[in-house]
Amino acid sequence: KNEVEQSPQNLTAQEGEFITINCSYSVGISALHWLQQHPGGGIVSLFMLSSGKKKHGRLIATINIQEKHSSLHITASHPRDSAVYICAVALQTSGSRLTFGEGTQLTVNP
Amino acid sequence: DAGVIQSPRHEVTEMGQEVTLRCKPISGHNSLFWYRQTMMRGLELLIYFNNNVPIDDSGMPEDRFSAKMPNASFSTLKIQPSEPRDSAVYFCASSLVGGSYEQYFGPGTRLTVT
Repeated sequence: KNEVEQSPQNLTAQEGEFITINCSYSVGISALHWLQQHPGGGIVSLFMLSSGKKKHGRLIATINIQEKHSSLHITASHPRDSAVYICAVALQTSGSRLTFGEGTQLTVNP
Repeated sequence: DAGVIQSPRHEVTEMGQEVTLRCKPISGHNSLFWYRQTMMRGLELLIYFNNNVPIDDSGMPEDRFSAKMPNASFSTLKIQPSEPRDSAVYFCASSLVGGSYEQYFGPGTRLTVT
């Protein structure tokens, strides 16, 4: 079993829909990261969380430390949100080393 | 700041050749990471440095891979000799020291070994 599990693996939505991507992890962490990888391959850090909730534009990330679970929400989705979204955790025992989920491929159709 | 800079962006080489990938981190960042991404294994950490010192190289696949960070503004990842299974996209990222800081990724080097 992977230490970081994401769901769903693939997600197709219509423009305007509310989207949720989930991430569960099995060990203690010091931080959780959400990354976005564009179709061209570049990787962008969206959020770094250790507790609570963060919001940036149409993106919202939440984390529940007790349940070892995080969600990434996209409101009013747009075709330009189409990308792979990757959850990664910094384990309490591994310093800066990140352990990655397998990613969620999101496609938003116009 | 220009962000994390990697070179070359694309590299095609023949099996057995030496390959050197280069990375310039964001000025002021004191952690540097080398990642590899393949379809089969996704993103994996190869090695990371704090303050130019290698901290965790457990992800380096074998002795053919080596990484150096001679100063705070430059790092190399070398593969010698290269093999077709090394074909992947190699990303460099930098951050402040500690797992609770955002990592900033370079554009990646797409390596093809024929």
